[in-house]
Amino acid sequence: GNSVTQMEGPVTLSEEAFLTINCTYTATGYPSLFWYVQYPGEGLQLLLKATKADDKGSNKGFEATYRKETTSFHLEKGSVQVSDSAVYFCALSDPLYSGSARQLTFGSGTQLTVLP
Amino acid sequence: ETGVTQTPRHLVMGMTNKKSLKCEQHLGHNAMYWYKQSAKKPLELMFVYNFKEQTENNSVPSRFSPECPNSSHLFLHLHTLQPEDSALYLCASSQAGRDHYEQYFGPGTRLTVT
Repeated sequence: GNSVTQMEGPVTLSEEAFLTINCTYTATGYPSLFWYVQYPGEGLQLLLKATKADDKGSNKGFEATYRKETTSFHLEKGSVQVSDSAVYFCALSDPLYSGSARQLTFGSGTQLTVLP
Repeated sequence: ETGVTQTPRHLVMGMTNKKSLKCEQHLGHNAMYWYKQSAKKPLELMFVYNFKEQTENNSVPSRFSPECPNSSHLFLHLHTLQPEDSALYLCASSQAGRDHYEQYFGPGTRLTVT
């Protein structure tokens, strides 16, 4: 079946440090890939997405590139801020359910804390 | 109201109570989902509704009963819950039949079973 593996946290960085959160996946077809972010006390928000190989998703200074050859979708940001402290989830859409409501497969989440 | 809303935001209930969680989406989507998020565990998909029809029930105990009266509203009826059911319950919606299938989440209901 499909699966998503994220680096375990927690990750603690100083403000303006470089961030990488690793994500790899297994899927039988060609899934779409997503990063969601969950701030304390809130639901998940879509951060960025990529729908085919070599696509780069970007938003709010975060980037991730869909690497089919390594089945990876690592999240990066060049300079983190305290306000980026949150839990980050990598996810893929099940490619087998064409034309209907697809399930998302989520990673276990990575807690990021940015210190001033 | 915009996006996906959930009420109540917090709920404390005893094991013999009956309560309901409500979700409403204002995005014109036709698919809705219930997830359970427990501490230290991955997000668990509970139910999927596509065009008001339940298409997935991921082995959820019968003490959780979903209802989808129309494509904008989703309920989760709760009865005789256990303390281990305490968690954050998230509702999401998406536009089935469209590419990419990203889901939009509500803020969740924090449920505590005493």
